[in-house]
Amino acid sequence: DAKTTQPTSMDCAEGRAANLPCNHSTISGNEYVYWYRQIHSQGPQYIIHGLKNNETNEMASLIITEDRKSSTLILPHATLRDTAVYYCIDVKTSYDKVIFGPGTSLSVIP
Amino acid sequence: DVKVTQSSRYLVKRTGEKVFLECVQDMDHENMFWYRQDPGLGLRLIYFSYDVKMKEKGDIPEGYSVSREKKERFSLILESASTNQTSMYLCASSSWTSGRLNEQFFGPGTRLTVL
Repeated sequence: DAKTTQPTSMDCAEGRAANLPCNHSTISGNEYVYWYRQIHSQGPQYIIHGLKNNETNEMASLIITEDRKSSTLILPHATLRDTAVYYCIDVKTSYDKVIFGPGTSLSVIP
Repeated sequence: DVKVTQSSRYLVKRTGEKVFLECVQDMDHENMFWYRQDPGLGLRLIYFSYDVKMKEKGDIPEGYSVSREKKERFSLILESASTNQTSMYLCASSSWTSGRLNEQFFGPGTRLTVL
């Protein structure tokens, strides 16, 4: 079973910010939050990760709450090419399974 | 750039056949993974390997086996293919940094149909 929970689907207007939430109800102190996305007919692609602090890279921003029980991936100016399934996962700093849930299907609408 | 390649994009096999899915990565990654992906179920981990000749079961190992004789190659074997193994199979690799599993790099996937 997936350790994280996400909404099944979301819509976002092109050019607006897309905010994708994730609940990490069972996250432990040594687990990182990772986000990936999968565009149709391709393998998943890494986006960003974090432990406690908020993070930003050229693709997105990651906001992690203080208790680390939830995170939000932000795509600041969504484009049609951001239409994809987005996955959040918890990754331990030790040998352990990596579990992907069903993810959130984001549709960016013109 | 990291490249993870899979032997076939599309494969059609018959029930009962032995099927080999090959995955090769060119970045000297220690860790390799096999997932299957079905509509509405996300990615489910079949097997993973953290070193040569080392393998660990994932969530759904039944009906599958794996082989990792060389660091760059991780093979998924369906001993006797069945129709319920029709799926998209994804291979991934990753490295370690200071005890943390780094991001996974995925191959393009193999869409297997078992008739």
